[in-house]
Amino acid sequence: DTGVSQDPRHKITKRGQNVTFRCDPISEHNRLYWYRQTLGQGPEFLTYFQNEAQLEKSRLLSDRFSAERPKGSFSTLEIQRTEQGDSAMYLCASSFFLNTGELFFGEGSRLTVL
Amino acid sequence: RKEVEQDPGPFNVPEGATVAFNCTYSNSASQSFFWYRQDCRKEPKLLMSVYSSGNEDGRFTAQLNRASQYISLLIRDSKLSDSATYLCVVTFNNAGNMLTFGGGTRLMVKP
Repeated sequence: DTGVSQDPRHKITKRGQNVTFRCDPISEHNRLYWYRQTLGQGPEFLTYFQNEAQLEKSRLLSDRFSAERPKGSFSTLEIQRTEQGDSAMYLCASSFFLNTGELFFGEGSRLTVL
Repeated sequence: RKEVEQDPGPFNVPEGATVAFNCTYSNSASQSFFWYRQDCRKEPKLLMSVYSSGNEDGRFTAQLNRASQYISLLIRDSKLSDSATYLCVVTFNNAGNMLTFGGGTRLMVKP
């Protein structure tokens, strides 16, 4: 399967713990995006990378959220000191640089904070 | 006010019906427009781009009205398989290449 893959698919954690999600984009895509989606809502933009550069991070929900893409390939999204309100589906997507319309999404990582 | 707004529905229609969704956006610095489809418990996928002159793809027609800042999607001859959530997506000139999603409109096509 050469699509976007995310790991883990499901994560249950206790409030206050740190969690990290990984995203492996389609190999030839140089743009990578993180979105969050809660039930009944559309995806909410968090951040994006072009290669290893993080070009937009002002939409990260708080300073507890951080993302990296150290070698311009896979990316990680970390949430520190999780809160119950962080429970959501975290979606990763990738695209070609010149194609700003079609994002290829992974199946998401569902986070439940108890 | 949200940047991209949609009626959440659900729209319940019989097979063969024609159904239309509208989407409004608040930022006039808009650049590109798209409709995505999201099946239940699945990831969103691009359905079609929306061009200024309007465009059609089989049973699906998308229209853009920049003056009124809304986008529409028309589905003709609805099929059971069209049941999904339809997400309106806009990119804004002053926000790089960030795709902003609406909340989605849920469509249920019934036999």
